Parts: sequence; C-alpha cells; structure tokens
Amino acid sequence: KAGVTQTPRYLIKTRGQQVTLSCSPISGHRSVSWYQQTPGQGLQFLFEYFSETQRNKGNFPGRFSGRQFSNSRSEMNVSTLELGDSALYLCASSPGTAHEQYFGPGTRLTVT
Amino acid sequence: AQTVTQSQPEMSVQEAETVTLSCTYDTSESDYYLFWYKQPPSRQMILVIRQEAYKQQNATENRFSVNFQKAAKSFSLKISDSQLGDAAMYFCAYRSPRGSQGNLIFGKGTKLSVKP
Repeated sequence: KAGVTQTPRYLIKTRGQQVTLSCSPISGHRSVSWYQQTPGQGLQFLFEYFSETQRNKGNFPGRFSGRQFSNSRSEMNVSTLELGDSALYLCASSPGTAHEQYFGPGTRLTVT
Repeated sequence: AQTVTQSQPEMSVQEAETVTLSCTYDTSESDYYLFWYKQPPSRQMILVIRQEAYKQQNATENRFSVNFQKAAKSFSLKISDSQLGDAAMYFCAYRSPRGSQGNLIFGKGTKLSVKP
C-alpha cells in the first residue's frame, strides 16, 4: 500500500495570506489527524477527522481549520498567516481509534 | 489531561551497543496505547513499536523492545545492537482509546546519536 502523502512539501507564504495543505491517507484509513511541529513547542495536535466529521480538536485558534472528503483525503487551511505559524505540518492516518497512526513526510511552511 | 515526559533531551551510543530511552506518562485512564516513533533527519515519522496497556507482556520488534511498567507509568525503549541508521529523534506518545480524544500526545523527544 502507498503511504500517507502530503502536498506541497515546501511552501513559503507572506504574513496575512492564507494557505491550504493537503493530505491523502493510506488506502482504507478513515481517520486523518494533523499535527504542528516546531522546535519550541514540539508536536502539537491540531484536529482529527473521521468519516468526514471532526472528531477531536486541539487548542489552536480558529484561523486553523480543516475538512475531510468522502474519499478520506483531508485538507487543512490556515488563514491570516502569522510568523509563528512557520512549522512542519504533519498528517497522520489510522484505520481507527485503537490503532497506531502513520505519518506523512510533512509540509514545511515558512511565513515571511 | 494526559502528559508524556521524556527526561533525556540527548543520548549517545556506540555502534553495536545497547541504549535505553526513558519515558514517563501521566493518566487517569486504565486502558490506553503507548508508542515510540522515530524521526530521522529526513523528517518522516516512523512507528517503532506499540504497547497496549492491558497487555502485561512487553512488546518487541527485532532490535527494539520496551519495558512497560504500568504502575510506575513508565515506558522505556531499549535499542540493542545499535546501528548508524538508528540515529534520529525518538518520540514517546500516548493515545487514549476514547474516540473523542484519540489524538497522540507526544513527549518532547530524545535525540539519539550513534557513534561509529
């Protein structure tokens, strides 16, 4: 099976812009989670989608949003970008709650 | 809220030797899952090993094994016969079985260096 894929791999944006990141889970996986990784804060959970419904949400401002499509592919959107949003954004998929999560290679977002 | 603590920011091991990475966690749940993930410099996070809390037997995957002490809330990773390719950041993670809180909670990580 193909692994989790994320596009784009690298992105440079300007403060105030918005960005959309995409994630395709492993075939058959219905759960997709998003994490933000920074040197200072480490790995922080953004949100989880299961069968097109947001099931769980981390402690991030409303500028961060996501959605999941019927084919389980997921997108996350960050509006009004701030310098502090510069991070590696990781997507992970899982068959369900009782299972481990498999990660994609990440999208490196740089906000200037 | 659950927390995961990795008290060793950096560790070093000689090639072919054994190293143990420490992890402690705090939770009020009796059933949960614990994981070790490896993140090499290329950044892709890889699952190393998984442990279900209801299983008393420690998980083993080839050269990787865990020492799971449920009462002490301790979950250490032992890497035997260390190889250069083991050099990476290692993250300990906790996952609740409840669907509404099924996200991974990570420790800050331990950077492992392997000396030839």
